[in-house]
Amino acid sequence: ETGVTQTPRHLVMGMTNKKSLKCEQHLGHNAMYWYKQSAKKPLELMFVYNFKEQTENNSVPSRFSPECPNSSHLFLHLHTLQPEDSALYLCASSQDLPHLAVHTDTQYFGPGTRLTVL
Amino acid sequence: KQEVTQIPAALSVPEGENLVLNCSFTDSAIYNLQWFRQDPGKGLTSLLLIQSSQREQTSGRLNASLDKSSGRSTLYIAASQPGDSATYLCAVRGSGGGADGLTFGKGTHLIIQP
Repeated sequence: ETGVTQTPRHLVMGMTNKKSLKCEQHLGHNAMYWYKQSAKKPLELMFVYNFKEQTENNSVPSRFSPECPNSSHLFLHLHTLQPEDSALYLCASSQDLPHLAVHTDTQYFGPGTRLTVL
Repeated sequence: KQEVTQIPAALSVPEGENLVLNCSFTDSAIYNLQWFRQDPGKGLTSLLLIQSSQREQTSGRLNASLDKSSGRSTLYIAASQPGDSATYLCAVRGSGGGADGLTFGKGTHLIIQP
């Protein structure tokens, strides 16, 4: 399988549930990202990981907890969510080598997980 | 804080027309600018990436230009086809270095009428 994959594609959960979103990239990239896309709003960056280290947390509430065990996998753990957290959650990856001044970094996106919080 | 604006928000044109989508950004200190398309309920497909040192990029019927000093980019689509119908998103990456995320506009919803 190639590209960026995300599972599940659709998720419905109650406010007291705990669930996790998974992202996997097969492109050999070293940077991975979580974005949130809500209706009527621009795509918003949530988290950035570079070489498995979190380099950016864009003021995301603690009910969203990311995990990056290796450069190919990225998780978003969800707990005690609110209905306003319902959105399309997109994962992306890119190849970023700042020490070599190589920033080809086209970001490649997965298909997203459509999350509904009841 | 960087803000990205796309005009128009929606556009409907007959097949075969050439069209221009506009993107503006408030902070000219960008590393690059990327145009994506998004089909309903799906992820994003990268169309073109322009580095801050470049003025334009071309891919097939698509041409994107960048005027960094004025904070503007345009996406030109030649000889539009019904398959071009999608939402087109403009995104910029700040020049802070490292693996920074993108700041997106709200998009232009494009419909090409057969």
